This record gives sequence, structure tokens and C-alpha cells, in this order.
Amino acid sequence: AQSVTQPDIHITVSEGASLELRCNYSYGATPYLFWYVQSPGQGLQLLLKYFSGDTLVQGIKGFEAEFKRSQSSFNLRKPSVHWSDAAEYFCAVGAPGGATNKLIFGTGTLLAVQP
Amino acid sequence: DVKVTQSSRYLVKRTGEKVFLECVQDMDHENMFWYRQDPGLGLRLIYFSYDVKMKEKGDIPEGYSVSREKKERFSLILESASTNQTSMYLCASTASSGNTIYFGEGSWLTVV
Repeated sequence: AQSVTQPDIHITVSEGASLELRCNYSYGATPYLFWYVQSPGQGLQLLLKYFSGDTLVQGIKGFEAEFKRSQSSFNLRKPSVHWSDAAEYFCAVGAPGGATNKLIFGTGTLLAVQP
Repeated sequence: DVKVTQSSRYLVKRTGEKVFLECVQDMDHENMFWYRQDPGLGLRLIYFSYDVKMKEKGDIPEGYSVSREKKERFSLILESASTNQTSMYLCASTASSGNTIYFGEGSWLTVV
């Protein structure tokens, strides 16, 4: 069965420090991969996505993610975290060419940023 | 920019009430979704629709129904609200040819 695992429920980093949020997936083939961010009381905003090609993808707000097929991972990174990055982050997988484009989400990682 | 609008951001309803959550998108998307978000559980798909008057069950459809009479509008219905349906509900849409899902800002429902 398809699944997404975000092993870290909460992460706290200092402002200016680097960040890596982990995401592992279980899927029969190479899926489409997404990272979304959710600020408190808001909907989900797309940070970046991977469909094919270059395994290092750049997103908005200075985020990037790397697809590693051998590890079934799609970790999100940022070299220097800002206080405004405090939010909840969701990794998601989708079926390539799926007629209904459903996504399966991880349970989220809540990021806190210390001054 | 794609706009997915959930008209009711915060609702408080009584047990047994019928509840309607409305969602409208302005990008002529074929596919629309309703998710439920709970702490520690992430987002779970309730129902989705890939065309007007078409619907399919997601992972947790029990206690919910949906309506899609117009392409831009997708309604989630709680026929008889229960306290375990207290949650945040997120509507989303995507084009059938696309793979990026766009979300509304969410509707917080409290059932007392």
C-alpha cells in the first residue's frame, strides 16, 4: 500500500541554522512528490514538487528537496531558517498520470524556530 | 493565481445538526477534494469528484456525503453531525491534466 512517513513530529531549530525535514515513501514506482507548508489557521501552500528529471528541486521561500530513489526519500532542506518558517510541513505522494490526482499525505512535521 | 475559497472558516454546530461546508474554485478545475485534518493524523481524504455530479469515496467517507452540481462548487455535507467530526476540513482542486493540488484555507468545525 502507498504510504508516506514523516518520522519527526516536532523539530526545533535556531534562526539562521540549517534545516532538514525527512520524508520516506512507500510506492510501487516513482511517484510524484510534494512538500506543502501550513501556517497556523491556514490552508496548505505548495513549496515544491518533483515529477521527473533532476533529483534536486528548488522551491519557494529558499527551500529545496532531493529525491533519492535508493532510499525512497524526499527530504526538504533549507540552508538558513528564518523565524517566519515556523509552520507545519507535509510531504505527499501522488500517482503519476492518476486520473484523479489524489495525494497521500504524511502526518506532518511541526517546525519551531528559536530566536 | 488559483483561488480555492471555503466560505465558512469557523463553525460551531450542535450534535445531530445537518452541516454544509462549501467550496468554490475559480480555475475551471475538473477535480475537487475534501480532506479532513487532525493532529497526528495528517490529511485524510473524505471524498473527491472528477466531474460534475461525479463523486468517489476517499479513505474516510463514513458520516459524510458530497454534492457537485456545478463544476466550480463542491459541497461537503454532514447529515447528522457528531462530536467526533470536530476537525479542520480542507477543500482542494486540480486540473485533470495537472498534478498540483491547490488548497483552500480550511474550515474549522466544532460539534458540541
